[in-house]
Amino acid sequence: TQLLEQSPQFLSIQEGENLTVYCNSSSVFSSLQWYRQEPGEGPVLLVTVVTGGEVKKLKRLTFQFGDARKDSSLHITAAQPGDTGLYLCAGVGGTYKYIFGTGTRLKVLA
Amino acid sequence: SAVISQKPSRDICQRGTSLTIQCQVDSQVTMMFWYRQQPGQSLTLIATANQGSEATYESGFVIDKFPISRPNLTFSTLTVSNMSPEDSSIYLCSVAPGYFGPGTRLTVL
Repeated sequence: TQLLEQSPQFLSIQEGENLTVYCNSSSVFSSLQWYRQEPGEGPVLLVTVVTGGEVKKLKRLTFQFGDARKDSSLHITAAQPGDTGLYLCAGVGGTYKYIFGTGTRLKVLA
Repeated sequence: SAVISQKPSRDICQRGTSLTIQCQVDSQVTMMFWYRQQPGQSLTLIATANQGSEATYESGFVIDKFPISRPNLTFSTLTVSNMSPEDSSIYLCSVAPGYFGPGTRLTVL
């Protein structure tokens, strides 16, 4: 069974701080996605990384896919209260079968 | 991109009853996915629904409990049968590559 472990599970920080969320697996994925989910809504896709070692930036968010395509990280610079939410990584296997990570619940305090 | 709507958005049901959740996509798609998100948890794939064939269920999920219909390329339903409080969750439909509906929040008393 493929598992994706995220760390930390919970994170509460002050506005302006930086943070990194990790997503680790023993399995290789063809690609990996990051989502943010807010209460009462479905997950919203932030990014898809495909190539080992790939780095993508989305404003203050930096995503990296591990060289072996087994892990990924999400770094947020100067966090803002609007970044609050549940962050989920999802490894993609064959035929768009997504395995979701355990989730990181982020709270950014003003 | 794809826009996905679900009905109902939420419901409170009695133990032993069944609820059918509808998922509508604004474009034709081959594969639709149904997920469950238990309170405070991540998402677990229930099944993959292809038009014109039976759904493929993941380990721990069975057709008798979660029957799925896929009558055309834009629509699917998931039924949660003979519900118990343990079925209280958010149920989400999804299409590749990573578009999700808003979810149906189900509470079973």
